[in-house]
Amino acid sequence: AQKVTQAQTEISVVEKEDVTLDCVYETRDTTYYLFWYKQPPSGELVFLIRRNSFDEQNEISGRYSWNFQKSTSSFNFTITASQVVDSAVYFCALRMIYNQGGKLIFGQGTELSVKP
Amino acid sequence: KAGVTQTPRYLIKTRGQQVTLSCSPISGHRSVSWYQQTPGQGLQFLFEYFSETQRNKGNFPGRFSGRQFSNSRSEMNVSTLELGDSALYLCASSLRWGGEETQYFGPGTRLLVL
Repeated sequence: AQKVTQAQTEISVVEKEDVTLDCVYETRDTTYYLFWYKQPPSGELVFLIRRNSFDEQNEISGRYSWNFQKSTSSFNFTITASQVVDSAVYFCALRMIYNQGGKLIFGQGTELSVKP
Repeated sequence: KAGVTQTPRYLIKTRGQQVTLSCSPISGHRSVSWYQQTPGQGLQFLFEYFSETQRNKGNFPGRFSGRQFSNSRSEMNVSTLELGDSALYLCASSLRWGGEETQYFGPGTRLLVL
């Protein structure tokens, strides 16, 4: 069975602090995709990144960076110099490549609060 | 390009009633998935449609059903509503089914069952 664990339920930081959101996944498949989505209070899930299981290169996009380590089944997300607008719930998700179409398996989410 | 749209945005129903939610995918997208989000269970996959055919189904009772039309728009229906069906229902669309496709979500429909 596949599973995604986001152990941090809530994180609170002060603006300009760096923060890392943890994501650990479980699957026996060797081919899969990993995602991060952001859910602001409006409710819509906003796509942030997709990573293929074959590609362990870290990625940086502005203040956002992602660290994918297959050896520890982790796909962590770091926000550098956090801002109040980063306050949201962040979800990590797993999707199999074969035979399950677009079905996403989500973690429980981490609620990030950035205070001014 | 317009994003995924869902109607209605808010809905209040009473136990035993039925409800139909609508989802219009991003133009050109042919795959639509539905998810239920509750505080207790989190985000759970309901079902997925591609080319008017259900391709995948989550672990929900038969009261939950859906369909997709030839223009890729999708509806989901919940019959005999229960209090536990109160949730945010999210729809997502992607170009094709599976593969490298990324799913883009709509704003959701908040359903409250009294």
